[in-house]
Amino acid sequence: EAGVAQSPRYKIIEKRQSVAFWCNPISGHATLYWYQQILGQGPKLLIQFQNNGVVDDSQLPKDRFSAERLKGVDSTLKIQPAKLEDSAVYLCASSLASGMVTQYFGPGTRLTVL
Amino acid sequence: AQTVTQSQPEMSVQEAETVTLSCTYDTSENNYYLFWYKQPPSRQMILVIRQEAYKQQNATENRFSVNFQKAAKSFSLKISDSQLGDTAMYFCAFMKYTNAGKSTFGDGTTLTVKP
Repeated sequence: EAGVAQSPRYKIIEKRQSVAFWCNPISGHATLYWYQQILGQGPKLLIQFQNNGVVDDSQLPKDRFSAERLKGVDSTLKIQPAKLEDSAVYLCASSLASGMVTQYFGPGTRLTVL
Repeated sequence: AQTVTQSQPEMSVQEAETVTLSCTYDTSENNYYLFWYKQPPSRQMILVIRQEAYKQQNATENRFSVNFQKAAKSFSLKISDSQLGDTAMYFCAFMKYTNAGKSTFGDGTTLTVKP
């Protein structure tokens, strides 16, 4: 069974530029999560999708971050414009359904904002 | 809001020895899950072990076991017979029953297993 896929693995941009990350969850997993992991800290949930609907985006900085999962499968997280403090690893995870506690994580995208 | 605290930023252990990682949490919930995740260098995070709060028996997975003290809000991870492949960052995480899926993570403990 293929795991959670993410791309790119690494990205370096300058502040005020835009960037997008892509995630493809495990086949059949209805729930998808985006986490932000700043160096030296644990992951922090940004947004949770159930199929193509948003379950929780309370910690997503909506003035600059957006995410979509239009067909209920893969997802894109965008930052526009990026700030220095956005430097982090962005993790995508999926679970079979909302309420299923076991989450499977992707390898992450390491973003550096200069 | 829930908080998870891991008070040991770094730990080391000799190969084949036993090590215990600490985690405390704060919540007003009675029903919840607790997890330990492992994040090896440059590799993805995987679940090591989980504990349901209503279960008094401590969870065990091969060389990994937990000491769950609900009243003290403590959830430590014991790794027996440490192996070089156990070198990783370990995260403790909390999840409410009523909001299954949304996890609150601690800031992690970096464990180094020395040969």
